[in-house]
Amino acid sequence: GDSVTQMEGPVTLSEEAFLTINCTYTATGYPSLFWYVQYPGEGLQLLLKATKADDKGSNKGFEATYRKETTSFHLEKGSVQVSDSAVYFCALRLVGTGTASKLTFGTGTRLQVTL
Amino acid sequence: NAGVTQTPKFRVLKTGQSMTLLCAQDMNHEYMYWYRQDPGMGLRLIHYSVGEGTTAKGEVPDGYNVSRLKKQNFLLGLESAAPSQTSVYFCASSYSYETQYFGPGTRLLVL
Repeated sequence: GDSVTQMEGPVTLSEEAFLTINCTYTATGYPSLFWYVQYPGEGLQLLLKATKADDKGSNKGFEATYRKETTSFHLEKGSVQVSDSAVYFCALRLVGTGTASKLTFGTGTRLQVTL
Repeated sequence: NAGVTQTPKFRVLKTGQSMTLLCAQDMNHEYMYWYRQDPGMGLRLIHYSVGEGTTAKGEVPDGYNVSRLKKQNFLLGLESAAPSQTSVYFCASSYSYETQYFGPGTRLLVL
């Protein structure tokens, strides 16, 4: 079946450090890929998305490129801030599986940024 | 514009008790979803709805029932709670292929 694999956390970085959170996927079709972020005590929010191979999603300084050849969608940020501390979820949605936008999530990666 | 709201925020149940979780959205979205979030397992889809009066099973539907009597509301019911249903429950809504908007979650503890 379809699945998403994320690097295990927690990831602990100092402020202004470079961030990479790895995400790879397995899918039978052609998925759209997403990164969601969950701040403490809150629900998930869409951070960025990419709908086809080689697309780059970006938002709030975060970027991720849809790599079909490596089935990956790694999240990067050049300089993290304390306010970026959260849990990050990679997810996929298969195109053509009906109109309901059903998502398959990874297990989440907790990021802790310190001063 | 409140977005997606969930009631209650936290609940403790004894094994065998029943309860209903309420999700409400004010964005006129057709599609609504219930997920559960467990440590080390990410979010898993319980049930979803593609419109008023419709429901469908997701990845982990056993032990849960749902109803969508009004477009803006999606109810998740536990008829006989079990400790394995201790979790954080999230509701979400969306247009067909658009972004899912999540509520703040309901933390449920079953003793």
